[in-house]
Amino acid sequence: DTGVSQDPRHKITKRGQNVTFRCDPISEHNRLYWYRQTLGQGPEFLTYFQNEAQLEKSRLLSDRFSAERPKGSFSTLEIQRTEQGDSAMYLCASSFTVGSTEAFFGQGTRLTVV
Amino acid sequence: AQTVTQSQPEMSVQEAETVTLSCTYDTSESNYYLFWYKQPPSRQMILVIRQEAYKQQNATENRFSVNFQKAAKSFSLKISDSQLGDTAMYFCAFWGSSNTGKLIFGQGTTLQVKP
Repeated sequence: DTGVSQDPRHKITKRGQNVTFRCDPISEHNRLYWYRQTLGQGPEFLTYFQNEAQLEKSRLLSDRFSAERPKGSFSTLEIQRTEQGDSAMYLCASSFTVGSTEAFFGQGTRLTVV
Repeated sequence: AQTVTQSQPEMSVQEAETVTLSCTYDTSESNYYLFWYKQPPSRQMILVIRQEAYKQQNATENRFSVNFQKAAKSFSLKISDSQLGDTAMYFCAFWGSSNTGKLIFGQGTTLQVKP
């Protein structure tokens, strides 16, 4: 296991198109998080899963965004009808459940909406 | 709501010298953790150091140490003997027991280590 992996690393899409990103967490981790990071800023929390259950969603996660984690393994984040304001780095992180505070991050997916 | 503030957008330091990055936070929680994460250019974010709020002793990891002032809600990172590989963006982050595991990040400080 080489850590958290995200695919694709880069995505350029036209405004109005749908995009989907994938995150594969560290296999033993049952918590999975999605963050969004715009240029020069810190990551902002979007949503998190414990196993397959989505337990919290940020108000940043508009109805155009949906995330899933089937069977508590990998996760997908879909953005429908992309807008230029969606351009950002989307980071995935994973960790153990309560008791562990260290989150391990993937390299992110950089989305550019043109 | 918790907030994390990093007031130094950019800093630079000469190789082998010491630099301190500042962070302040606001919370009403009593049980929390504070972190410094490093994000090198085009590479993933990695944990540098962690501090539990209930511990009075400042955390240390090799060349990295923190100055945790709980009453002042201040959490600075000191990097000693700076190396070129320390060039990165550094984020201060907060995790509270009521946060359901999510991290709250500051805006980041870009550190440039000069040869």
